[in-house]
Parts: sequence; C-alpha cells; structure tokens
Amino acid sequence: DGGITQSPKYLFRKEGQNVTLSCEQNLNHDAMYWYRQDPGQGLRLIYYSQIVNDFQKGDIAEGYSVSREKKESFPLTVTSAQKNPTAFYLCASSQDVMVAGETQYFGPGTRLLVL
Amino acid sequence: AQKVTQAQTEISVVEKEDVTLDCVYETRDTTYYLFWYKQPPSGELVFLIRRNSFDEQNEISGRYSWNFQKSTSSFNFTITASQVVDSAVYFCALSEAGFGNEKLTFGTGTRLTIIP
Repeated sequence: DGGITQSPKYLFRKEGQNVTLSCEQNLNHDAMYWYRQDPGQGLRLIYYSQIVNDFQKGDIAEGYSVSREKKESFPLTVTSAQKNPTAFYLCASSQDVMVAGETQYFGPGTRLLVL
Repeated sequence: AQKVTQAQTEISVVEKEDVTLDCVYETRDTTYYLFWYKQPPSGELVFLIRRNSFDEQNEISGRYSWNFQKSTSSFNFTITASQVVDSAVYFCALSEAGFGNEKLTFGTGTRLTIIP
C-alpha cells in the first residue's frame, strides 16, 4: 500500500542530544514537508523540500536540520539548539511541485518528549 | 500574510445532531486553495476536501458538506447526523497559489466530541 511512514512513534530526547525523526514515502511524490504541532495549536512548517538535494526553511526552522538525499526520504534532526522540542511532528508530501495548491498528505506522526 | 481562524475551540453535540465547524480566512491573493483535515485520536491528519478560490459551488460528500463564501471569506464544514466516529480535531487550512504549494497555513483546530 502506498503511503507515508514515520518512525519512531515515540521518541525521547535527553538534554543536549540530537535526535533524528524518519519520514519515508512510496507515493512517488516530489515535495515533502515537516510540521510541528503543539497542544491546542495548528501545525507550523519547519522545512520543506521540492526536489532531491534541495530544501527551504519554513516558519520555525531554528534548531532543526533536514536532508533530502533520496526522493522518498526526508529525515528531520532536532538539534540541541532547539530548546523546546517537546511536540508532535508530522511529515507530509505532495505530488507535483509544478501544480499550485496540491494536496498534502500526512504521515502518522512522531511524538517527541524531553527527559 | 495569510491567516486562518477557527473560533470554535471545542464543540460537543449529541449523536445524530447536525454540527457546523466555522473557518474564516484572510489572504491578499485572488487565487488560493482551502482545505479541511480531520485528526482522530491516533494523530494522523486525514485529508477531507480541497477547494480553489474560483469554485464557489458547495460540495456534499455523504454526511459531509462544505459551504464556501468568498464574500465573507468563510469555508464552513457541516456534518449531518453526526456519529461517534466523527469525534476528532478538525483543521481548516489555506494555501496561496504558487509552485510546489510550499506552505499550508492552518487554523488552530476545532475539537469535536460526539456524545453517544
């Protein structure tokens, strides 16, 4: 079945530690996105990538880094510079970067907690 | 800058009642796209509908219907004969026209609880 997978489902981070969240899609979508969701708030864009080896910052990129070495993979690293990383992280993808208003489809999310 | 407002933070209705979720948006663009997503307790966002700014025709899909009014910048969502499975957080989102659909601006969501 085609879809977006995220792992792990839960992740615990110690102070000063970098952690990496995985996002994989087998939909052959061009674009991929990372969002952060805090309780009672909407989603906020961290990073997005329209093509392999290229990505752009979203609204809240500080303390995060990404890579896009393969079309189907877009991992997110939460660095020690991110002082408030506890949140629910959602990965999304959309099919065609040359089409405006493409629908974004979401993965199941990763919940990050700080120990 | 674009903005989406979902003024209803939480709504509770008894099963089989109809319920409308409000969404008001702000944008300077004449071409834009509106979306509704459902977030059940599992956390994954489920796509419900996409509407572009040139299509003001209302849409019905089973028990779901959407009312798009450009004059009031609203894109409201109605569930008819609600069911317990409709309990979730619902998000309205806005995307301005542009290649790659770089950014969806989300509202803060409405938590809907259907009481059996």
